[in-house]
Amino acid sequence: DGGITQSPKYLFRKEGQNVTLSCEQNLNHDAMYWYRQDPGQGLRLIYYSQIVNDFQKGDIAEGYSVSREKKESFPLTVTSAQKNPTAFYLCASSIRRGNQPQHFGDGTRLSIL
Amino acid sequence: DQQVKQNSPSLSVQEGRISILNCDYTNSMFDYFLWYKKYPAEGPTFLISISSIKDKNEDGRFTVFLNKSAKHLSLHIVPSQPGDSAVYFCAASAIGSSNTGKLIFGQGTTLQVKP
Repeated sequence: DGGITQSPKYLFRKEGQNVTLSCEQNLNHDAMYWYRQDPGQGLRLIYYSQIVNDFQKGDIAEGYSVSREKKESFPLTVTSAQKNPTAFYLCASSIRRGNQPQHFGDGTRLSIL
Repeated sequence: DQQVKQNSPSLSVQEGRISILNCDYTNSMFDYFLWYKKYPAEGPTFLISISSIKDKNEDGRFTVFLNKSAKHLSLHIVPSQPGDSAVYFCAASAIGSSNTGKLIFGQGTTLQVKP
C-alpha cells in the first residue's frame, strides 16, 4: 500500500532535548510538508520541501529544523529552542505540479515531560 | 490574520439529513480550495476540492460550492451518516503558490451525526 508513515505515534521529550520526528512516503511525491496542530486550531505550516536537498520555512519555523536528503524522507527536528513544543505534528506529501491535494500521515503527538 | 475561517466550531445533525459546513476566506488570490476530514489521533483525509474557475464540484454524497464574490465556500453532505462524525477542515492555496502546494487551513468544524 502506498502512503505516508510517521513514527513514533507518541513521543515524550525532556526540556532542553532535541527530538526528531520521522516521515517516510512511498507515493513518489516530490513535495513534502510538516504541520503543527494545536487544540481548537487549524494546521500551521512549519517547513516544506518541493524537491530533494531543498526546503523552505513555513509560517512557524522557529525552533524547528528539517532535512531532505532522500525523496522518500523528510525528518523534522524539534529543537530546545522551540518554547512550546507540545502539539500534534502532521507530515504530508503531494505531487509538485499544479493544484494537487496533500496526503497526510497519521501524526506524532509530542509531549514534554 | 486568519485568512481562512470556519466560524462554526461545531455542528450537530440527524442521520439522513443534510450537513452544511461553511468556510470564509479573505485572500482574493486563493484559487484552489479543499476539504479534509479528520478523526481524533489520525491525519486528515482529503475529501474534495474545487478550482476557482468552477462554482460547484460533486463527488458522491459530498458537494462543494464556491461563491467567489462572497469569498465563501461550503461543503454539503447528503445524506449524513454517523460515520461522517469528525472534524472538517477547509483549506486554500493562492495563485503563485500552486507550485509549492502551500495550503492555509481553517480552524475546523466538528460535525456530529446522530443516529
